[in-house]
Amino acid sequence: QKEVEQDPGPLSVPEGAIVSLNCTYSNSAFQYFMWYRQYSRKGPELLMYTYSSGNKEDGRFTAQVDKSSKYISLFIRDSQPSDSATYLCAMSSYGKLTFGQGTILTVHP
Amino acid sequence: KAGVTQTPRYLIKTRGQQVTLSCSPISGHRSVSWYQQTPGQGLQFLFEYFSETQRNKGNFPGRFSGRQFSNSRSEMNVSTLELGDSALYLCASSSKYLTGTGTYGYTFGSGTRLTVV
Repeated sequence: QKEVEQDPGPLSVPEGAIVSLNCTYSNSAFQYFMWYRQYSRKGPELLMYTYSSGNKEDGRFTAQVDKSSKYISLFIRDSQPSDSATYLCAMSSYGKLTFGQGTILTVHP
Repeated sequence: KAGVTQTPRYLIKTRGQQVTLSCSPISGHRSVSWYQQTPGQGLQFLFEYFSETQRNKGNFPGRFSGRQFSNSRSEMNVSTLELGDSALYLCASSSKYLTGTGTYGYTFGSGTRLTVV
């Protein structure tokens, strides 16, 4: 069993939809929780990070962490075609990042 | 402000050869990490260097090695290449190590696409 599980999708939604991306994890040592976005032929770009249970909002993005359930989510409101990318959850323990498989998201006009 | 620069962008090598990949971190960043990305396994941690010392290592064979220079630039070497080493190799830099103190600011480069034939 992988330490971090993420549904690879692909996920296709119409413009303006609310998108929900999720990851589960098994390692209680994870301290930080992040979401990265990766466009084709580019490296991952950090979207959001958090280190505690609860919600964190940044514009159209909301990251949610539930440590008791070992579950994290990313919500994208009013999705745009420019949001089309692969979204990766990542968790860290003492400097080492462990990534989920990534979810391929397509937002069509 | 320049980002993380990885060279070369693309590389084709033959099985059994060795290869060296280069990473120049963001100016002032002293932590450099390397990751391998494949469709099957996703992104996997290789190793992290901070102040020229390897601080952390993933579960890769000894054919994968790296080093960091005094200017924080890093190189990764893979010896005796196998077909399964074909992947996108990503480098990430950060100003901090063991970020218990706040912002987890890893910035990734665009990667080196290695194809082993």
